[in-house]
Amino acid sequence: AQKITQTQPGMFVQEKEAVTLDCTYDTSDPSYGLFWYKQPSSGEMIFLIYQGSYDQQNATEGRYSLNFQKARKSANLVISASQLGDSAMYFCAMSQQIMNTGFQKLVFGTGTRLLVSP
Amino acid sequence: DVKVTQSSRYLVKRTGEKVFLECVQDMDHENMFWYRQDPGLGLRLIYFSYDVKMKEKGDIPEGYSVSREKKERFSLILESASTNQTSMYLCASTLDRLASPLHFGNGTRLTVT
Repeated sequence: AQKITQTQPGMFVQEKEAVTLDCTYDTSDPSYGLFWYKQPSSGEMIFLIYQGSYDQQNATEGRYSLNFQKARKSANLVISASQLGDSAMYFCAMSQQIMNTGFQKLVFGTGTRLLVSP
Repeated sequence: DVKVTQSSRYLVKRTGEKVFLECVQDMDHENMFWYRQDPGLGLRLIYFSYDVKMKEKGDIPEGYSVSREKKERFSLILESASTNQTSMYLCASTLDRLASPLHFGNGTRLTVT
């Protein structure tokens, strides 16, 4: 069964340093997408970055980059130059084909709580 | 910007009550989803809908039903609330059939006593 694993329940980083949040996945779908979301204490889920399984290059969005290693089935999020406002919960998600519907849904990992200290 | 609005931020209900969680999106999205979020379990899909009056079960539909009478509105119904349904409920929408980024509401934190 398709599954997303985030093994780091919590991470600490100092302001201005880079941090990597781990995500591994398991899927039998030939085509899939990988997503990262940020959830601040306010509760809203904010989309950060997307990587398609056939994309040749790693996705980047500003200070966020996705280190996609298809053979290892990993999709780690790298945040460069951390800011205090980056303190939040981060979720990795993967699209999963829903049988006989032609639709895909997102399957989420359990999340990593990042704390950025001054 | 896409706006997904959940009618209540916090709700407290009693066991056995019928509970309605409302979600409205303003971008004419076809696909809408209800997830619940619990610590250590991440987000789990309850139901989704890809068109008016169409609905599909997600991974944990037991104890829930949904209604989509209008394209912009997707309601989650707890027929008889139980304490194990105490959770954060997140509504989301997306335009495409494929898993393009979901746009989430701010969530409803439901407590069932």
